[in-house]
Amino acid sequence: DVKVTQSSRYLVKRTGEKVFLECVQDMDHENMFWYRQDPGLGLRLIYFSYDVKMKEKGDIPEGYSVSREKKERFSLILESASTNQTSMYLCASSPLMGGTFSYEQYFGPGTRLTVT
Amino acid sequence: DQQVKQNSPSLSVQEGRISILNCDYTNSMFDYFLWYKKYPAEGPTFLISISSIKDKNEDGRFTVFLNKSAKHLSLHIVPSQPGDSAVYFCAASDTSGTYKYIFGTGTRLKVLA
Repeated sequence: DVKVTQSSRYLVKRTGEKVFLECVQDMDHENMFWYRQDPGLGLRLIYFSYDVKMKEKGDIPEGYSVSREKKERFSLILESASTNQTSMYLCASSPLMGGTFSYEQYFGPGTRLTVT
Repeated sequence: DQQVKQNSPSLSVQEGRISILNCDYTNSMFDYFLWYKKYPAEGPTFLISISSIKDKNEDGRFTVFLNKSAKHLSLHIVPSQPGDSAVYFCAASDTSGTYKYIFGTGTRLKVLA
């Protein structure tokens, strides 16, 4: 059974703090993703990674950075948290199947971040 | 620019009846589509998918229909059960070159007992 875990379910941080959100998957997946979910906006892609040390910007990367030093771990970093980054953050992973892209993503439970 | 749209934010259906959730897209390059279900305080879980070479895919109570000319897909749940109450997201991908999915805004389904 694929398992994607996120370091915290709930997090409260102050404006200007540096915030780390950690995601770990245990199925040796090549691809990992960070999304944020906001009411009325669905899931929006922040960053994704298709290999260790590789990353690509998603649709809303501003104010965020990522790190993937190991295959199983993908970290999202808020360099200086702001109130408009209050959101639900979801991590996902997916495998490469036979060299082609696998179309199903497995999600973690999410981290609800509040920035005050 | 919302490339994937779910125009109904919510839907209520009686238990045992059919639930139909709709999704429209604008990008003709999208060739793979997925539906996810999300319960509160949990991550989305994959439900069913369809490739653009098909117009229908069925898995138990869940069927997805794709109308490429109308750029429209729908998810049918028959019969609906109270445990189906959740938020449903459709997602689309252009599999020719990117790893990205574009998600819709979600439809909250409530199945009434």
